[in-house]
Amino acid sequence: ETGVTQTPRHLVMGMTNKKSLKCEQHLGHNAMYWYKQSAKKPLELMFVYNFKEQTENNSVPSRFSPECPNSSHLFLHLHTLQPEDSALYLCASSQEWQITGELFFGEGSRLTVL
Amino acid sequence: DQQVKQNSPSLSVQEGRISILNCDYTNSMFDYFLWYKKYPAEGPTFLISISSIKDKNEDGRFTVFLNKSAKHLSLHIVPSQPGDSAVYFCAAMGSAGNMLTFGGGTRLMVKP
Repeated sequence: ETGVTQTPRHLVMGMTNKKSLKCEQHLGHNAMYWYKQSAKKPLELMFVYNFKEQTENNSVPSRFSPECPNSSHLFLHLHTLQPEDSALYLCASSQEWQITGELFFGEGSRLTVL
Repeated sequence: DQQVKQNSPSLSVQEGRISILNCDYTNSMFDYFLWYKKYPAEGPTFLISISSIKDKNEDGRFTVFLNKSAKHLSLHIVPSQPGDSAVYFCAAMGSAGNMLTFGGGTRLMVKP
């Protein structure tokens, strides 16, 4: 596989469930990101990891918990979400954080919270 | 308040004609600008970028123009092709310490 891969592509969960989104990049990049795309809103940066260290947490509620075990993998753990959290969650990677702004995105995980 | 705005949510253009997508920004610290293209069910892909030291950057059919005094940039696609139909996002970033900020996107439809 090449590029940035996200699983699952679609997820439906209840407000009391706990689930995780997974992202894997095969590009040898050192920075990984989680973005949220809600309907009719710009892409919102949620978290940034640079060399496995979290460098940005863009005021994201604690019901979203990121994990970056190594430079190739990024998780987003979800628990007690709200219906307004339904959105497309995009993972991205870049060679380094904030050098050129050129990000490589995965196809996204479409989350529906009932 | 959005720092990067794409005021046209959609644009329809005839095949072979020019497509012009516009983007405005408010943060004078932004000095690097990018355009991304997104097809349905796919993630955004990088298209073209421009640094604030330039006012134009061209790559094949795609040209980005930057007007720093007006805090405005535009993406020109000529000639437009049906395969260019997608959502186009403008993004901006500043010096170290600023994050990449995206606009809301413009849906381009190129009619055969």
